[in-house]
Amino acid sequence: NAGVTQTPKFRVLKTGQSMTLLCAQDMNHEYMYWYRQDPGMGLRLIHYSVGEGTTAKGEVPDGYNVSRLKKQNFLLGLESAAPSQTSVYFCASTTSGSYNEQFFGPGTRLTVL
Amino acid sequence: AQTVTQSQPEMSVQEAETVTLSCTYDTSESDYYLFWYKQPPSRQMILVIRQEAYKQQNATENRFSVNFQKAAKSFSLKISDSQLGDAAMYFCASGAGDDMRFGAGTRLTVKP
Repeated sequence: NAGVTQTPKFRVLKTGQSMTLLCAQDMNHEYMYWYRQDPGMGLRLIHYSVGEGTTAKGEVPDGYNVSRLKKQNFLLGLESAAPSQTSVYFCASTTSGSYNEQFFGPGTRLTVL
Repeated sequence: AQTVTQSQPEMSVQEAETVTLSCTYDTSESDYYLFWYKQPPSRQMILVIRQEAYKQQNATENRFSVNFQKAAKSFSLKISDSQLGDAAMYFCASGAGDDMRFGAGTRLTVKP
């Protein structure tokens, strides 16, 4: 059981470049989340999904897009990276809703120059 | 919308002593849950304890317990018999519906 995995672990982008972060879970969880973690600000919810084929906006969705084509995968895309998107990105999954324990991936450190 | 506030950016405790981390929250939801997550230097987020808002009894997990004051919207974490392995960032979080909000975190240092 790998739990929640994230690819890649580190990435450096130039302003304007695009990239996709992949999150995969093998726990058959319905709900998946993408957060960003910045110093002094905790974790902020970017987008989430309540099931295959569904996505919804969180607290800070601007500049990001997501897709959930398969239940086990949740992709986070940056179409045109900006320095303000330099952050550590965490993916999480849970069985149902925000009432239950969330299982987190190891994080992706993204630097945008 | 929900908000979660942790007013202590840093705390320190002597090994074997007790420390309390503070958290206040605000929500318009009647059905919500509260959490404390731990993030050690490895960066891996781990659930410490979970409290259902409709339960008056404070949750406990071994050396970890909470003081849940619903009227005051306060949710503090008490760590008893602190160990070196407790050193980490601690995040308070509130979950209602599909929404999840985290506080800014408290960095706990444990002194040997």
